[in-house]
Amino acid sequence: AQKVTQAQTEISVVEKEDVTLDCVYETRDTTYYLFWYKQPPSGELVFLIRRNSFDEQNEISGRYSWNFQKSTSSFNFTITASQVVDSAVYFCALSDENSGGSNYKLTFGKGTLLTVNP
Amino acid sequence: NAGVTQTPKFQVLKTGQSMTLQCAQDMNHNSMYWYRQDPGMGLRLIYYSASEGTTDKGEVPNGYNVSRLNKREFSLRLESAAPSQTSVYFCASSEIQTPYEQYFGPGTRLTVT
Repeated sequence: AQKVTQAQTEISVVEKEDVTLDCVYETRDTTYYLFWYKQPPSGELVFLIRRNSFDEQNEISGRYSWNFQKSTSSFNFTITASQVVDSAVYFCALSDENSGGSNYKLTFGKGTLLTVNP
Repeated sequence: NAGVTQTPKFQVLKTGQSMTLQCAQDMNHNSMYWYRQDPGMGLRLIYYSASEGTTDKGEVPNGYNVSRLNKREFSLRLESAAPSQTSVYFCASSEIQTPYEQYFGPGTRLTVT
C-alpha cells in the first residue's frame, strides 16, 4: 500500500536560514506522482508542485527547490533564506494507480509545521 | 472566479444531529473530493466523485454520505453526528480523475458535542 512519511513533526528556524523538509514515500507502482502543499495559518491548502516518477530533475522556483531521488524514495523540499511568511504546515502527498485501481487519489503525509521566527 | 467554495465555515452540532456540508467549484472540473483533517493525521479521503453521476468511498467513509448534485456541486452529509466527527472538512476538485493537482476549498470547522 502507498504511504507517505514526514518524519519532522515541527521545525523552527530563524529568518534567513535555509530549511529542508523531508518526505519519504512507499509505492509499488512504477508510475506515480508526488506533490507538496502548503497550509498557512489561515487554513487553506495551496498547491506548490507536482512531480512524476519519470522526471528526477530537481526543480527550483524562486526560494523553493525540490530534490527527487527515486533511489531513496524521497522528495525533499528546501526553502532558501526563509521568511516569516513561510510559516505554515507543509504536506507531501503521493498519487499512484494503486490508490484505487485506475483512480488517482492523494495519500497525504501527516505534515510538518514550519515556524520561521524573526 | 471563486475556485472551490464551502459552506458553512463553522458549525457546532449536538450528538445525533444531522447536517450537510456544501461544496461548489466553478473551474469546470470533473473530479471532486471530500477530506477530513485531524491534528497529527494529515488529510484523509472520505469520499470522492470521479465524474458527475459517480461516487466512491475513500479511506474513512463510515458515518458519511455524499451526493454529486451536478458537475459543480458535491455535498457531504452526516446523518447522525458523533464527537469522533469533530474535524476540519475540506472539499477539493481536479480537472479530471488523473494525478493533476487538486484545488482545495477554505474548509469547514465542525464541532460535535
